[in-house]
Amino acid sequence: GENVEQHPSTLSVQEGDSAVIKCTYSDSASNYFPWYKQELGKGPQLIIDIRSNVGEKKDQRIAVTLNKTAKHFSLHITETQPEDSAVYFCAAFKGGGNEKLTFGTGTRLTIIP
Amino acid sequence: KAGVTQTPRYLIKTRGQQVTLSCSPISGHRSVSWYQQTPGQGLQFLFEYFSETQRNKGNFPGRFSGRQFSNSRSEMNVSTLELGDSALYLCASSLNVDLPRTQYFGPGTRLLVL
Repeated sequence: GENVEQHPSTLSVQEGDSAVIKCTYSDSASNYFPWYKQELGKGPQLIIDIRSNVGEKKDQRIAVTLNKTAKHFSLHITETQPEDSAVYFCAAFKGGGNEKLTFGTGTRLTIIP
Repeated sequence: KAGVTQTPRYLIKTRGQQVTLSCSPISGHRSVSWYQQTPGQGLQFLFEYFSETQRNKGNFPGRFSGRQFSNSRSEMNVSTLELGDSALYLCASSLNVDLPRTQYFGPGTRLLVL
């Protein structure tokens, strides 16, 4: 089945700096890659997603890049703010029978004021 | 539009008991998926329901089951609870089963098994 690896597991950055979280997936048939932010006591919240026919997508301070050849995708947060502190999860979706989202292990991001 | 709601939010049970958790998807959403989240195993897929039918299932024992009603609300049941079933159970809804499979999560039900 699909396996998603996520790095780093923890990340601390100064407020205003950029943060990058990286994920790799194993199944080349995966075709949809969402990113979720989970704050304490809450469920994961979708922040951005990308489909396999797109290489990059941006939404204000957040961007995601996808390299299908390397089976690698990344989350970029610029101009970080204290409210960006949370746990971030990447995920890969594989369709075509037994469809499911496979999640990475999460990155705890801490923004230092 | 209201988000995904889950009840109850917290639950304490003892080993051997059974539990039923409820999920109401976003209005108009027809697909409901369930996940288990633990510190050790992370977020793991349990099963997905669409139009009252189970479409997909993760690698969990038969003690974990679910169903979906005609109004798309879903319930999951865990029988003969074990200590290892203590977890945050998350429900996610999506509009349908076509790409993109954007899933919106509820706040979860935290289950503690003593």
